[in-house]
Amino acid sequence: AQSVTQLGSHVSVSEGALVLLRCNYSSSVPPYLFWYVQYPNQGLQLLLKYTSAATLVKGINGFEAEFKKSETSFHLTKPSAHMSDAAEYFCAVSPSDSSASKIIFGSGTRLSIRP
Amino acid sequence: KAGVTQTPRYLIKTRGQQVTLSCSPISGHRSVSWYQQTPGQGLQFLFEYFSETQRNKGNFPGRFSGRQFSNSRSEMNVSTLELGDSALYLCASSVTFRGSTGNYGYTFGSGTRLTVV
Repeated sequence: AQSVTQLGSHVSVSEGALVLLRCNYSSSVPPYLFWYVQYPNQGLQLLLKYTSAATLVKGINGFEAEFKKSETSFHLTKPSAHMSDAAEYFCAVSPSDSSASKIIFGSGTRLSIRP
Repeated sequence: KAGVTQTPRYLIKTRGQQVTLSCSPISGHRSVSWYQQTPGQGLQFLFEYFSETQRNKGNFPGRFSGRQFSNSRSEMNVSTLELGDSALYLCASSVTFRGSTGNYGYTFGSGTRLTVV
């Protein structure tokens, strides 16, 4: 069985500050891990994904995430927040070589950026 | 290259009515999946189609149904609408079925916002 937990339903940071969104997962098989971003009234956009290659994954818009097996974590970071980063972020996990039916999404973290 | 297109974007229906939502995948994508997103339950998997066949179905009542056409376009139907069906319905497409999450990923549409009154 798989699950994903996002710590903090709402995170607020100042513009230019470090963004850290936390995600912990549980998986009985080697997982694939994803971060998606959702802007208001929009669908989900893939930021980055881990598929058992490099543990440090770089995504779009300056985001990156590090897969830490020992900590079962896949936290999302960005060195300097921009106002346009304000959105909801979802962490997701699935077994490798599986289909959409096996993707488990976290409950989401809303990121606010203070001027 | 056009993205995943969902129509309509917004819909208001009355309890007891039925509704049909449409999803046109990216050209060349043969797998289409549907999700329901609500504030309380988050993102929940509805169905997955590949080559006109339903491959997987989530834990939703029989009022929720779907189909996929030969051009990979997909529709989902909800009959006898309830207030709890109010949600954002998202469609996602991928090149193929198994192995797609890692190798190809899923591209989501902007969704259809359904409000049941």
